[in-house]
Amino acid sequence: EAAVTQSPRSKVAVTGGKVTLSCHQTNNHDYMYWYRQDTGHGLRLIHYSYVADSTEKGDIPDGYKASRPSQENFSLILELASLSQTAVYFCASSPGLGLNQDTQYFGPGTRLLVL
Amino acid sequence: GDSVTQTEGQVTVSESKSLIINCTYSATSIAYPNLFWYVRYPGEGLQLLLKVITAGQKGSSRGFEATYNKETTSFHLQKASVQESDSAVYYCALSDPLNSGTYQRFGTGTKLQVVP
Repeated sequence: EAAVTQSPRSKVAVTGGKVTLSCHQTNNHDYMYWYRQDTGHGLRLIHYSYVADSTEKGDIPDGYKASRPSQENFSLILELASLSQTAVYFCASSPGLGLNQDTQYFGPGTRLLVL
Repeated sequence: GDSVTQTEGQVTVSESKSLIINCTYSATSIAYPNLFWYVRYPGEGLQLLLKVITAGQKGSSRGFEATYNKETTSFHLQKASVQESDSAVYYCALSDPLNSGTYQRFGTGTKLQVVP
């Protein structure tokens, strides 16, 4: 029933390696987002997308790429993982229009540890 | 810039006691932000608890309440009697209603532990 799913739920990566985090939503929402959370910080926006085949930079895009091949899927790519990218990553979606246009629906998060 | 502050990282409350989780915001570029409380239960993603879009109004859900106070720029979360099932992490957030698809700011979260 979960409308936003993420995979993997946890991952250990090596410094300099490539990491891909995947997100899938069944909400039929136009907007999708990637956030990271670190201890002592609120969720910070990395990339977002409002339509398939297009992505936009958020507040902290450096070191990350994003891909939106379809309305349902949104990936976050770390081409060269670094220690500083150890964090919990959340994917979310929102309608973008209508009464609840800005209510976000989140996935369960992916815990990434870079060694 | 715009920001949300939650001063308590963790709060421990005895079951059936009252709760208040503090949230203040700074919205220098947004005249009238929308305000939210999200909750994250263990192993799950954040989910909307309540939302208020009008200053002076109160939102409520599942026994929780929060009032949008523009004078004090606060949006504290309250509950009269907590239960163990309320144990979770609570996030305060704001959005720009004129840019709502892309602009949200979250607090650091407050972990609530309810003990018997």
